[in-house]
Amino acid sequence: DAGVTQSPTHLIKTRGQQVTLRCSPKSGHDTVSWYQQALGQGPQFIFQYYEEEERQRGNFPDRFSGHQFPNYSSELNVNALLLGDSALYLCASSFAGADGANVLTFGAGSRLTVL
Amino acid sequence: LAKTTQPISMDSYEGQEVNITCSHNNIATNDYITWYQQFPSQGPRFIIQGYKTKVTNEVASLFIPADRKSSTLSLPRVSLSDTAVYYCLVGASSRDTGRRALTFGSGTRLQVQP
Repeated sequence: DAGVTQSPTHLIKTRGQQVTLRCSPKSGHDTVSWYQQALGQGPQFIFQYYEEEERQRGNFPDRFSGHQFPNYSSELNVNALLLGDSALYLCASSFAGADGANVLTFGAGSRLTVL
Repeated sequence: LAKTTQPISMDSYEGQEVNITCSHNNIATNDYITWYQQFPSQGPRFIIQGYKTKVTNEVASLFIPADRKSSTLSLPRVSLSDTAVYYCLVGASSRDTGRRALTFGSGTRLQVQP
């Protein structure tokens, strides 16, 4: 049973460029959340997708956008990259109909470096 | 969103029991308490979850007092491989229509020494 897979694992961009990160959720999961984790910090919530719609959003500018596809996979897009966007981007999936609280399964992340 | 407070760091030795306490004074009635473990350059990994009293699984125990304003993660007989950052999260049931997203704090950096 594959867990959450993210691609690419590492990438380098320059300021002003655009980037797309991809995530395939764990089998049976229907909700995808994206987090940004700067070095030495806890993951910061970007947004969450369920039923192909953005359901919640953290304190991130509109340069950060996303999409969820009918197969539950998701993309994170970041436009006009800034040096401060350099971070580990984590995708987490969960099942909206699960009993108990929202338990997230994380991927290994995509390490973005902006030069 | 329920805010959590944890110690920034803790040190221990192999074989000892480690207890990490998290404060969440404004926890809501529907909120569960979940702990995650994260190693460098990896995504966080689920450890344990509870609503009240005590929960135990094969890797840890979670103690939650009656007022639920705090919780304690207990790791029995830690080893060097338990060196990691541990996060306490408070969030609502996935069935809630609000479905509030889980917010991470800064976590507790546990260093286990030989």
